[in-house]
Parts: sequence; structure tokens; C-alpha cells
Amino acid sequence: AIQMTQSPSSLSASVGDRVTITCRASQGIRNDLAWYQQKPGRAPRLLIYGASSLHSGVPSRFSGSGSGTDFSLTISSLQPEDFAMYYCLQDYNYPRTFGQGTRLETK
Amino acid sequence: DVQLVESGGGLVKPGGSLRLSCAASGFDFSSYTMKWVRQAPGKGLEWVSSISSTSRYIYYGDSVKGRFTISRDNPRNSMSLQMNSLRAEDTAVYYCSRDGVLTPGDFWGQGTLVTVSS
Repeated sequence: AIQMTQSPSSLSASVGDRVTITCRASQGIRNDLAWYQQKPGRAPRLLIYGASSLHSGVPSRFSGSGSGTDFSLTISSLQPEDFAMYYCLQDYNYPRTFGQGTRLETK
Repeated sequence: DVQLVESGGGLVKPGGSLRLSCAASGFDFSSYTMKWVRQAPGKGLEWVSSISSTSRYIYYGDSVKGRFTISRDNPRNSMSLQMNSLRAEDTAVYYCSRDGVLTPGDFWGQGTLVTVSS
């Protein structure tokens, strides 16, 4: 199974900051990577698919990049509602695998 | 509007069985791959199983293979997860989710909690 290594596991930041979360695949996955946001007690929400395509309704401050094994999610200017958990997912093959998550906390 | 509603969760003893259901509405259910994803308390997301639109292709995670069975009923717009030989480590919120052609997990249900405990 492909392992997805996400970093950092937690991140403290302030409103207005630019933050980047990375995800590394144990083997090449082309651009078959998605990013999700999850808030406590809620289902995950798709942010980015195909490594860099913004899902419908997601604010443009979110962006994704990368291909092959190294990927990143960037939030250009943090808003109060962005403090949450973030997960990457490879949808290159089965079994699907998620990164372990990044907790984005307010500083 | 797309809606996914899970049901069937609850408390079950180790070794027991449970059947989860996911009722879909607001889209052409028969055209989409569907999946189950779970989240143990305080833990991350874990993919459990996926089923293609016609049920031709079915996949399971190693942790549930041989114990869980995914199925779907397209005319009834529903998907199920039959869970047998349940273990304490199967305790989790179980989400059903739709995979768009390009957009994996573009819609999710609210989740249903399964607790395996004696």
C-alpha cells in the first residue's frame, strides 16, 4: 500500500498568515491527490482534487501543488474558519490511503 | 441537493455483526463509485471499502478484508456495509462518501457511530 506522510502534524498560526502543509507519497502517484478539511464533529470537506484543482465553492485562498511524490496545500491568508484538521488522500490506486492529518491551530 | 444519510450504527459486542446503510438522493446514484471511510475516536481518517457504480469492482482495506462486505442497490439508491466478527478496533464513526469522476469524496454523509465493546 502507498504510504502518505503528512507534515507537520500540527501547526500554530495567526489570522492572515500564509501556511503550507505537505504530503509525501511512498511512490509516484501522478497528480492523483486530494486535500480535505475537517472540523470537530463534522464530515470531511473536499478542498482540492487532482493535486491542484479547486473544488466547487472552496475559497481561492486555498491552493494545491505537486505531482509524483511531493505535494502541498497552501492557505494564502488564514481566516478564522480555517482552523481545522487537514488530510491528504491518494486516489491513484487501491487501497486508498490518507495522510495522518495536520492540526491547524490558532497561535 | 446531494444528500447521503448513514444509519445502522450502535453498540455491539466483540465478535458481533452490524449492517450499515447509506441512503443517497439528489444525484444519479447508479453512475458513481461509492465508499466507506471511518474515523476512530480522536484518530485520523481510514478508507474502508469502495464499490464501483455497477458493483463490478469492489475493494477493501486490509484491516477489514474477509470480515466486511460492501454492496449497493442502485434502484433503491442505497449502499450497505455488512460488518461481521467485529473487534474493539472497529469502533469508529463510519462515513459514506461519493467519488465523482475527478473529485474523490466530493460529498459525505454525517456519519454513524459504531461502538464495539463488551
